[in-house]
Amino acid sequence: ILNVEQSPQSLHVQEGDSTNFTCSFPSSNFYALHWYRWETAKSPEALFVMTLNGDEKKKGRISATLNTKEGYSYLYIKGSQPEDSATYLCASPGGADGLTFGKGTHLIIQP
Amino acid sequence: GAGVSQSPSNKVTEKGKDVELRCDPISGHTALYWYRQSLGQGLEFLIYFQGNSAPDKSGLPSDRFSAERTGESVSTLTIQRTQQEDSAVYLCASSPQRNNEQFFGPGTRLTVL
Repeated sequence: ILNVEQSPQSLHVQEGDSTNFTCSFPSSNFYALHWYRWETAKSPEALFVMTLNGDEKKKGRISATLNTKEGYSYLYIKGSQPEDSATYLCASPGGADGLTFGKGTHLIIQP
Repeated sequence: GAGVSQSPSNKVTEKGKDVELRCDPISGHTALYWYRQSLGQGLEFLIYFQGNSAPDKSGLPSDRFSAERTGESVSTLTIQRTQQEDSAVYLCASSPQRNNEQFFGPGTRLTVL
């Protein structure tokens, strides 16, 4: 069973500050690492799919890095805005063909 | 364009009844996934369909759960003799191919009384 861990579980950040959080996963048999944003009352929305060690991807103020050798990925948000409040999920394909998700980091941006 | 749709959006049922949940994936997406989120838990993988291949059922929690998919279109998830622990949000997702980013539907909130 694939074990995907995220930390912290929740995070309060002042509007305008930058923040980051972590996803860790087994480094053996790595295939891909997904990041999703899940806002309340909406569906999870894909942010990034990363496959190569050293990958760095960016979408607006959000970016992510990947280290497959040590089994972690960081998600960064620069200049947080209230609309960034959401649960951020990372996931990796497990032994089955679906994604194994972490429990998420619940981010709250305080005005 | 149309995204993934699911119906019903909410379902309240009595323990022991059967329920059927429906998912319409994005047209052309060959891969379709079912997940669920129980209260206080993370997203849990249930089952995966790829084209016309036999589905990967390894995530189904019990033999009361089954799913079907017609070709590369609609899928139904059936739960027989529902139990209270089946209460959860059931999410469907599709992707162009296996391991691409997944596009999620709005979910079905199932409550078993």
